[in-house]
Amino acid sequence: EIVLTQSPGTLSLSPGERATLSCRASQSVSSSYLAWYQQKRGQVPRLLIYGASIRATGIPDRFSGSGSGTDFTLTISRLEPEDFAVYHCQQYGTSPPFSFGQGTKLEIK
Amino acid sequence: ELQLVESGGGLVQPGGSLRLSCAASGFTFSDYAMSWVRQAPGKGLEWVSSIEGPGRDTYYAASVKGRFTVSRDNSKNTMYLQMNSLRAEDTAVYYCAKDSFSRNGVFDAFDIWGQGAMVTVSS
Repeated sequence: EIVLTQSPGTLSLSPGERATLSCRASQSVSSSYLAWYQQKRGQVPRLLIYGASIRATGIPDRFSGSGSGTDFTLTISRLEPEDFAVYHCQQYGTSPPFSFGQGTKLEIK
Repeated sequence: ELQLVESGGGLVQPGGSLRLSCAASGFTFSDYAMSWVRQAPGKGLEWVSSIEGPGRDTYYAASVKGRFTVSRDNSKNTMYLQMNSLRAEDTAVYYCAKDSFSRNGVFDAFDIWGQGAMVTVSS
């Protein structure tokens, strides 16, 4: 089973700043089957990125994903007030289980 | 509009059973693998189970294997999660989620999520 570790646990930034969130896998994630989700308080998760770097439909281009193998990054270039939320990474593909990271909380500084 | 609606959540005693349903609309249900994901209060997301489009192949997290059973009725556009031998640690919001693509042999990221069904296991 692939274990995903997200860091930091909490990230405190101000609107307009750049956010860099990390997701590290215990073993290589095949074919970059890595997704990022945003979850605001009391809301359902929303798909942001799949295939490590492909933005889902309707996701602003300030969100970008990168990485391969065991190290993946979600970058938000300039934070908007609505971006403060919890972010989850997930690995998927051909071999269950499809684990999630423990989440990174992005909070306003 | 693509939509998933869960139902069947509630309060159940330890050792009890519950069946969740996930009704889908707005897409060709049988073309897509579907999954259950849960979130305990104040915690992160946990993948629970997945089922392929035709419904033949199913997969489970180790924490629920042997106690939970996922199934689907493509004629009714509905997926189910039968939960038996429930434990306090199964207390969570249970979401159903749709694969973002229809690909044989590959489970994809989840592009559509239901609103969630709360399951509370307590005496």
